[in-house]
Amino acid sequence: DSGVTQTPKHLITATGQRVTLRCSPRSGDLSVYWYQQSLDQGLQFLIQYYNGEERAKGNILERFSAQQFPDLHSELNLSSLELGDSALYFCASSVEVAGITDTQYFGPGTRLTVL
Amino acid sequence: AQSVAQPEDQVNVAEGNPLTVKCTYSVSGNPYLFWYVQYPNRGLQFLLKYITGDNLVKGSYGFEAEFNKSQTSFHLKKPSALVSDSALYFCAVRDTGNNNDMRFGAGTRLTVKP
Repeated sequence: DSGVTQTPKHLITATGQRVTLRCSPRSGDLSVYWYQQSLDQGLQFLIQYYNGEERAKGNILERFSAQQFPDLHSELNLSSLELGDSALYFCASSVEVAGITDTQYFGPGTRLTVL
Repeated sequence: AQSVAQPEDQVNVAEGNPLTVKCTYSVSGNPYLFWYVQYPNRGLQFLLKYITGDNLVKGSYGFEAEFNKSQTSFHLKKPSALVSDSALYFCAVRDTGNNNDMRFGAGTRLTVKP
């Protein structure tokens, strides 16, 4: 158990809908990362938050957004869902040591199925 | 920008034999290198990392990896494979000279046969 929790574990929804994925980082970790894992594209970095502020952006679509709250949990919002958004969504967290983010620890993921 | 390559999509070994999963990287600054393992329907689990120091890094479950600066490689090894080692393995690199970004390889599926 990495200490990172994600809810829900599974999500089934229809095209055009909006969903929210939730992540709680390990105790003490200020950084949260979101990744998308699909069969054909591997592990894609979406976005990073550090202590409530956006730190880095990857291949995140404009239909997707995220935020990190004062208690450090994070939410990933996916809207106008398309069939191609079906994937595993992972959250990871890490500490920062001397200005460098250290090992990322991953949650169990949320499997999103868009029908 | 940094990049990481796992040249083999699939590695097959017999139980009890040594295994190697290859990883090469490209960075502008000093690399931080990581190996993760993913079992079916699970998140990625951290195995080991290289930041500085001894080029041979030992990690969880008997795995080790050797940092080779001249060959820009960080291959994952285990002296004696177990069937339970069958999983998807990801190499990752953080480029301390490039905005601290972390990139993952495409993954290598390891199958250990009894």
